[in-house]
Amino acid sequence: AQSVTQLDSQVPVFEEAPVELRCNYSSSVSVYLFWYVQYPNQGLQLLLKYLSGSTLVKGINGFEAEFNKSQTSFHLRKPSVHISDTAEYFCAVSGSANSGGYQKVTFGTGTKLQVIP
Amino acid sequence: DAGVTQSPTHLIKTRGQQVTLRCSPKSGHDTVSWYQQALGQGPQFIFQYYEEEERQRGNFPDRFSGHQFPNYSSELNVNALLLGDSALYLCASSYYRDLSTDTQYFGPGTRLTVL
Repeated sequence: AQSVTQLDSQVPVFEEAPVELRCNYSSSVSVYLFWYVQYPNQGLQLLLKYLSGSTLVKGINGFEAEFNKSQTSFHLRKPSVHISDTAEYFCAVSGSANSGGYQKVTFGTGTKLQVIP
Repeated sequence: DAGVTQSPTHLIKTRGQQVTLRCSPKSGHDTVSWYQQALGQGPQFIFQYYEEEERQRGNFPDRFSGHQFPNYSSELNVNALLLGDSALYLCASSYYRDLSTDTQYFGPGTRLTVL
């Protein structure tokens, strides 16, 4: 079984300040990790994903995340946020796949990022 | 290049009724997955379709069923609606490979309200 915990339901931050959105996961197998963003009344958009290799993953819109296997974390960071970053962010995990077949993706409950002018 | 489209955008039903939601995948994609996103929650996987067959299913009752057509579009059907079925229903499309590594493209969702 796998699960994702996003401890912060809401994170307010001033414009141009740095932000970190926390994500912890649990899984009995090797994992793939994802961050998605959801703007109001829209579907989910992939920000970045960790599959293997370098533990620091860079994504779109200046976001990056670091995979920490020992702490089972995959925190999302941005050095300077903009008003347009106001949205809900979801961390997700899936088990590394065997050949073929769908590996269930489990989402966290989301973190609402509120950028304050 | 059109992305994933879903219809309708909003829907209001009463308990006990049946509903059909529709999804057209991104051009070139052959796999459709459906998710339920209740208010304040993350998306929950319902099922996935490829080659017109249900390939995987999450923890949802048989009241939830689906279909995929030869053009890869898909429908989600929910019978005997309950108040708890009120949610945003998201469709995601991708290629049928290792879907853990492939990028799923999400549609804007259908907001279902059950009264």
